[in-house]
Amino acid sequence: DAKTTQPPSMDCAEGRAANLPCNHSTISGNEYVYWYRQIHSQGPQYIIHGLKNNETNEMASLIITEDRKSSTLILPHATLRDTAVYYCIVRVAGTASKLTFGTGTRLQVTL
Amino acid sequence: NAGVTQTPKFQVLKTGQSMTLQCAQDMNHEYMSWYRQDPGMGLRLIHYSVGAGITDQGEVPNGYNVSRSTTEDFPLRLLSAAPSQTSVYFCASRVDRSSYNEQFFGPGTRLTVL
Repeated sequence: DAKTTQPPSMDCAEGRAANLPCNHSTISGNEYVYWYRQIHSQGPQYIIHGLKNNETNEMASLIITEDRKSSTLILPHATLRDTAVYYCIVRVAGTASKLTFGTGTRLQVTL
Repeated sequence: NAGVTQTPKFQVLKTGQSMTLQCAQDMNHEYMSWYRQDPGMGLRLIHYSVGAGITDQGEVPNGYNVSRSTTEDFPLRLLSAAPSQTSVYFCASRVDRSSYNEQFFGPGTRLTVL
């Protein structure tokens, strides 16, 4: 599975959009981009995933560049409850491949 | 559905003791896995199972055993606990081996080995 690079930390004001970047320049054509988050002391929580098209669900939007070498997770209206570590992961679907968690981005949402 | 449950939530062991961390899911998921998370680090895969009776090693399997006798349960055994195994352990499941859908995680077991 391709490796990912994320900034170690970011701040965001409550009510603003949080844009979390992820670089995955060695991604293969059959690898999906996944985002999970981990709120302090809890198990990771799935947010969203995509292959090449932009995706949106009730939690977030995922924007993947045309060359697929990077992506951005967007939380449109961040709240204090969104304070967490966010993990960007790439994985080949259709196999038993594991999720490889890096160190992620620690997002701090402030008043 | 209760989702993925883990017991105990906290455990303290002495070096050399053995114990089993329990994991169960009620979603009829074929794929289950165990991760450990050390301070400031991401999750590392210990063992995984693609179905009842089938298990395989992950990144850091040494010192741990698993078995999968039923679809629902996937216990993790520490044979002889060592201080290096002090960590938070997470169990996870997803529909099947080839699913690209989400993986569900349990709440974790915090283990301290003295």
